[in-house]
Amino acid sequence: SAVISQKPSRDICQRGTSLTIQCQVDSQVTMMFWYRQQPGQSLTLIATANQGSEATYESGFVIDKFPISRPNLTFSTLTVSNMSPEDSSIYLCSVEVTDEQYFGPGTRLTVT
Amino acid sequence: GENVEQHPSTLSVQEGDSAVIKCTYSDSASNYFPWYKQELGKGPQLIIDIRSNVGEKKDQRIAVTLNKTAKHFSLHITETQPEDSAVYFCAASIRAAGNKLTFGGGTRVLVKP
Repeated sequence: SAVISQKPSRDICQRGTSLTIQCQVDSQVTMMFWYRQQPGQSLTLIATANQGSEATYESGFVIDKFPISRPNLTFSTLTVSNMSPEDSSIYLCSVEVTDEQYFGPGTRLTVT
Repeated sequence: GENVEQHPSTLSVQEGDSAVIKCTYSDSASNYFPWYKQELGKGPQLIIDIRSNVGEKKDQRIAVTLNKTAKHFSLHITETQPEDSAVYFCAASIRAAGNKLTFGGGTRVLVKP
């Protein structure tokens, strides 16, 4: 398995601003993923972040809105840009270890 | 793309009884099916998974079955305990295609003491 931490754990932001979420894992991993979980809903994949290459975004998500960095094999960031109330969600990072996927604790974002 | 449907959306059981959650998937190429448990305020926790070359897998009180022909898989929890109360998610992926998980809608399980 893997131990994953995320910062911040929660935040309240004003519309129009941006927030960068950090994800740190305790071992080197090739594949990291970012998911969004809207209130009371299931998880939706935003993008796959591989070290040394551009992130791959899923349909409905674009780099201008959710830029991602992956500077090394233990760290990634997701930025939620120009936020609106509709961006209020839990944002989760996950990593793949021996073909299994493990999730961080999530970042609970509220946009007012 | 893949579509995963999960039923029921809520499930209330008496402590000690069994709970069964069912999922169906659409893409016959999917070959990996994990189950996650999410407690309030926490991230999803992997509790069991099954690969397409296996029909059943058991881990203590938890078991998962897979029917590839019918494209459905199920989670079985026996002798339920209050700490089993949580939201459970099934998921499916094609392991050779980056292992991107498609999740079901979730089942809120309440175990009544």
